[in-house]
Amino acid sequence: AQSVTQPDIHITVSEGASLELRCNYSYGATPYLFWYVQSPGQGLQLLLKYFSGDTLVQGIKGFEAEFKRSQSSFNLRKPSVHWSDAAEYFCAVAPTGYKLSFGAGTTVTVRA
Amino acid sequence: DAGVIQSPRHEVTEMGQEVTLRCKPISGHDYLFWYRQTMMRGLELLIYFNNNVPIDDSGMPEDRFSAKMPNASFSTLKIQPSEPRDSAVYFCASSLGRGGFDTQYFGPGTRLTVL
Repeated sequence: AQSVTQPDIHITVSEGASLELRCNYSYGATPYLFWYVQSPGQGLQLLLKYFSGDTLVQGIKGFEAEFKRSQSSFNLRKPSVHWSDAAEYFCAVAPTGYKLSFGAGTTVTVRA
Repeated sequence: DAGVIQSPRHEVTEMGQEVTLRCKPISGHDYLFWYRQTMMRGLELLIYFNNNVPIDDSGMPEDRFSAKMPNASFSTLKIQPSEPRDSAVYFCASSLGRGGFDTQYFGPGTRLTVL
């Protein structure tokens, strides 16, 4: 069965600093990959997704992610974090069709 | 578009009571998904519908849970009888096409507390 691992439960970063969130998946083939963000008390919002093609994917809010097949990873990055980026971030995979499997999430705290 | 609408936003009930959660998907979306989020188990897909027809309910935890979609603009998730371990945030999401391929748009969720 497929699985998604987000190794970091909580990350604290200074405003203006760079951010990288890790995501590893376990699956026999390249799945469909997603990053979602959840602000407190809100639903999930899609940041970006990868199906095929260019392995560097640009998303909303200045986020990007890089797919590395050899490492089974899909890490999320942002060059300069804003206080409004404080939220919980979820990596998700869909090996085929509809079923999204989510990682446990990484909570990002932004300090002034 | 108003996005996915869920009601109520918060529900507090006592064990044994029936609970009904409601969802209005984005107009024109063919797929509707129900998720549950807990600290212990994270985000889990419970059931999803395509064109109002339940396609996969393998994530529904027990027979106490049931979901319906009587028309394209309304779905319910019912728990009867409710138990304290059902306390969670329940999300509804909708998408234009196959969930794995198309963006799922999430509602704000219903926070359920069963005492």
